[in-house]
Amino acid sequence: GAGVSQSPRYKVAKRGQDVALRCDPISGHVSLFWYQQALGQGPEFLTYFQNEAQLDKSGLPSDRFFAERPEGSVSTLKIQRTQQEDSAVYLCASSLAVEADTYEQYFGPGTRLTVT
Amino acid sequence: GNSVTQMEGPVTLSEEAFLTINCTYTATGYPSLFWYVQYPGEGLQLLLKATKADDKGSNKGFEATYRKETTSFHLEKGSVQVSDSAVYFCALSPSGGSYIPTFGRGTSLIVHP
Repeated sequence: GAGVSQSPRYKVAKRGQDVALRCDPISGHVSLFWYQQALGQGPEFLTYFQNEAQLDKSGLPSDRFFAERPEGSVSTLKIQRTQQEDSAVYLCASSLAVEADTYEQYFGPGTRLTVT
Repeated sequence: GNSVTQMEGPVTLSEEAFLTINCTYTATGYPSLFWYVQYPGEGLQLLLKATKADDKGSNKGFEATYRKETTSFHLEKGSVQVSDSAVYFCALSPSGGSYIPTFGRGTSLIVHP
């Protein structure tokens, strides 16, 4: 029984490098969310997909952040020209639906990004 | 905007003690409320939820009641175990067609034998 998987689990990048973080959601899940979690904080919403459509990217902190889900399954979060403030855990979650009463998200283990 | 406030941690208890982790929220309308748990090295897992006022969510001995009059969703357990040591996140999902959830900052629970 596969849950949500993310890769890599850990990534160290030098400032200015580009990184790509991958999320494999649960098969059949329509909705996919990306979050950024700083140390000692709760997850902060970044962006949301319904199938391949990116319906909301209001949480992306800058235009260096880009996310895609071209076939409605796997998603990639790309960060260009990384900065130290990008250091955080990036969480992916998928959900079967978006209606509030069935709104259960299944989270991956996260990718811990450290920018040096 | 929406917000969730949780009590600061860590909460340190002895095994079999009673647990309360406070959570209050600010939101318009009637959000759904959730508690997630994150065990060391793992992703967040849904612990329980409540979708309308006065609903009680429960799971694994944990309970929380949706109190609209006090805008609260406090997490309780009558007798904690060492295996309950984890970080607990309170969260809300807004009503009215929006889907962007808001999480609290998490409360670390440490249970000693």
